[in-house]
Amino acid sequence: DAGVTQSPTHLIKTRGQQVTLRCSPKSGHDTVSWYQQALGQGPQFIFQYYEEEERQRGNFPDRFSGHQFPNYSSELNVNALLLGDSALYLCASSLAGTSGGAATQETQYFGPGTRLLVL
Amino acid sequence: AQSVTQLDSQVPVFEEAPVELRCNYSSSVSVYLFWYVQYPNQGLQLLLKYLSGSTLVKGINGFEAEFNKSQTSFHLRKPSVHISDTAEYFCAVRRAGGYNKLIFGAGTRLAVHP
Repeated sequence: DAGVTQSPTHLIKTRGQQVTLRCSPKSGHDTVSWYQQALGQGPQFIFQYYEEEERQRGNFPDRFSGHQFPNYSSELNVNALLLGDSALYLCASSLAGTSGGAATQETQYFGPGTRLLVL
Repeated sequence: AQSVTQLDSQVPVFEEAPVELRCNYSSSVSVYLFWYVQYPNQGLQLLLKYLSGSTLVKGINGFEAEFNKSQTSFHLRKPSVHISDTAEYFCAVRRAGGYNKLIFGAGTRLAVHP
């Protein structure tokens, strides 16, 4: 049973360029969340996708956008890269469900991350 | 809104000694709590989680944590650490129910020395 996979593992870009990161969720999972982890800090939530729509968004500018495909895989796009975008980008997958008639999802499982360096 | 404070940025400890990593959270609503571990150059691995029920939660690799609602804490403990436990540990909180984002603390670096 494959876990969460991400590609590429490392990436070097220059300021102003655009980048696309990819994530395949754990088998059976339908929800994908993206996090940014700057050096020495905890992960920060970027956004979450479910049923090919952005469900929640953290405090990130519109330069950060995403997409979810019918097979539940997801992409994170960052335009007009800044030096401050250098970070480890983590994808997490989870399974949506219901509890007592209310929508819920419990545990998020993380991939190995993509380390982005912006020069 | 929820927030997490990990009270120690670094915890040095000798091999086979016990360890406690402290986590306090703030929330006006019910929450779920998690501990994740991150080994060098890797992603996050779930250690344990509290959703409801027993306040003492056991996880992988001999770790356990206790949810204390009155003190809004979720401290992580291990009775005897190994060199291989050297890693970064993150406490995370999310609002219970629904599809909610994880909010992480800044992390605690556990360094186990021989």
